[in-house]
Amino acid sequence: QKEVEQNSGPLSVPEGAIASLNCTYSDRGSQSFFWYRQYSGKSPELIMFIYSNGDKEDGRFTAQLNKASQYVSLLIRDSQPSDSATYLCAVNTVGNKLVFGAGTILRVKS
Amino acid sequence: NAGVTQTPKFQVLKTGQSMTLQCAQDMNHNSMYWYRQDPGMGLRLIYYSASEGTTDKGEVPNGYNVSRLNKREFSLRLESAAPSQTSVYFCASSEGGQDGYTFGSGTRLTVV
Repeated sequence: QKEVEQNSGPLSVPEGAIASLNCTYSDRGSQSFFWYRQYSGKSPELIMFIYSNGDKEDGRFTAQLNKASQYVSLLIRDSQPSDSATYLCAVNTVGNKLVFGAGTILRVKS
Repeated sequence: NAGVTQTPKFQVLKTGQSMTLQCAQDMNHNSMYWYRQDPGMGLRLIYYSASEGTTDKGEVPNGYNVSRLNKREFSLRLESAAPSQTSVYFCASSEGGQDGYTFGSGTRLTVV
């Protein structure tokens, strides 16, 4: 079992819809979680950080964490074509090392 | 403010050749990392350096060596390149906490 699992997609949503991206992790001791966005041919950029159970909102982005279920999600409201990218879930492990999922490709259709 | 700078951006090597990927950060971060990214595999940690003077193996260290030259610089060396090392390599730095990692722009390496 991979440490961090994501559906590879592609996830296709129409412009203006809510995109829901999911991630599960295996290490029950993990405490902090990140979402990165990566455009094709570019490097990952941080968009969300969460460490407490529940929701964290930042603009159109909401991260949701459920440690009991070992589940992290990212919601993107009012999706725009510019949101089309690969979204990487990352889990912090011992020694401040991030373990990444393989990423979910999101396509927003105008 | 350059952040994390990687060189070169592109490289083609022949099997058996050696090369060094350079990485420098200007954010005064203690920790630096080398990852490789392959289609469908995500980012996999090769080596990391928690602080100046220390280095440790990550998930996929075979075929690589690293040097933490000083606090700013962390290099990755391929002693004898193999086609399996064809990948995109990312350097990153971090001070921990909610800021996560800052990534360099990547090196696209092809071994033929």
